[in-house]
Order: sequence, then C-alpha cells, then structure tokens
Amino acid sequence: QKEVEQDPGPLSVPEGAIVSLNCTYSNSAFQYFMWYRQYSRKGPELLMYTYSSGNKEDGRFTAQVDKSSKYISLFIRDSQPSDSATYLCAMIEGQKLVFGTGTRLLVSP
Amino acid sequence: EPEVTQTPSHQVTQMGQEVILRCVPISNHLYFYWYRQILGQKVEFLVSFYNNEISEKSEIFDDQFSVERPDGSNFTLKIRSTKLEDSAMYFCASSYQPGTVNSYEQYFGPGTRLTVT
Repeated sequence: QKEVEQDPGPLSVPEGAIVSLNCTYSNSAFQYFMWYRQYSRKGPELLMYTYSSGNKEDGRFTAQVDKSSKYISLFIRDSQPSDSATYLCAMIEGQKLVFGTGTRLLVSP
Repeated sequence: EPEVTQTPSHQVTQMGQEVILRCVPISNHLYFYWYRQILGQKVEFLVSFYNNEISEKSEIFDDQFSVERPDGSNFTLKIRSTKLEDSAMYFCASSYQPGTVNSYEQYFGPGTRLTVT
C-alpha cells in the first residue's frame, strides 16, 4: 500500500464551483498535513497545513483532517480559472515531506 | 517576500558527466532540502541538511550524490557520473530552525530541470 494516495484527475469544474480534493494515507504516525499547489513546471507552493485532526480555514481554502479514517481534504470555494494547477498533499515524516501524486484541477471560465 | 532561488533553470548534460545544481535558501532558514520530480511522477525526498551535515537521506541519495553549503548563502547538490534516469526536476527547499512554530513549513524553489542525454 502506498503511503499517500491521491486521485490524479484531471478534475474539471466550472468557475465558481466548490472543489473537493482528497488524500488517503497509511501511516498513522503522521501528524502534520500539508497542501501544496504546483503550476506546470514550477516548484510546489505551500498553501496551508494542519496539525492532527480538525479544520483550518484560509480565505477560500479549507483543510480538513480525519485521522480516524486517515483521510484529508482541501476544499476550494468560489473556484477561479487561476486555481487551475496540480494540488499536492504531503505529510511530514521525520524531517522530510512525503507527497501524494497530486490532483490536476482545471477550472473553466 | 523572501523566496528560494535556484540556478540554472535548465541544465543539459551528457551521461557520465558531473553536474552541480545551486540553490540560495531563504536567508533566516536553517534547514535545507533537495527533492526531485521525474516527469509525471510524485515529488520525492532526497536529502535534508542542518548544521552543516546531512540529517536524513533517502535510498535514492546514494554515493552518486553529495550536498554542500560552501558559503553562508548557497546550498548545492552535486551529481557525479550522471545517468539517463537522473533526468528530472530538482527542487531545493528550506525551513526554519527545528523546534520553532513554523519549522514544518518547507518553501520550495522553482526547480532546475536536468536533462541527461
């Protein structure tokens, strides 16, 4: 079983839609859960992270962690064409980030 | 806003040659990392570096690879005797000192695309 799994997509939505991006993981020791955004041929950009279970909100973005199910989510409200990118979940293991494969999101005008 | 920078943006080299990829981390960060991303695959951890020594490395980071902080600002990844399968995007990242509230935030540079022919 892979440590971190994400549906690669692409996920296509119209502008203004609510987007739900998800990851599952296998290592119950993970405590920090990160979301990065990556535009084509660019470096990952840290969006937000949560510690342990619960929700965290930052503008149009909400991160949610359910440790009992080993499931994390990123919700994007009022999605914009500029949100079109690949969204990577990652977890801290020791000093390193363990990434999912990323979900490609396409928001059409 | 401070950012991680990397040079060159694209490096083409022949198989068997040595390459050095360069990074300038964010100035008040003390933890440095290298990751790589083969086209179409996930971002993979290579090595972390703190207090002038390697703190963690992956199975990928074998004797072919080395890292160095030659001065107060640069952080380098050297790949000796490059192979075709080393072709990838290489990302440098940095973070605050361990134990600080933001120490888990790793900030990535734009990457160096390495093409081995």
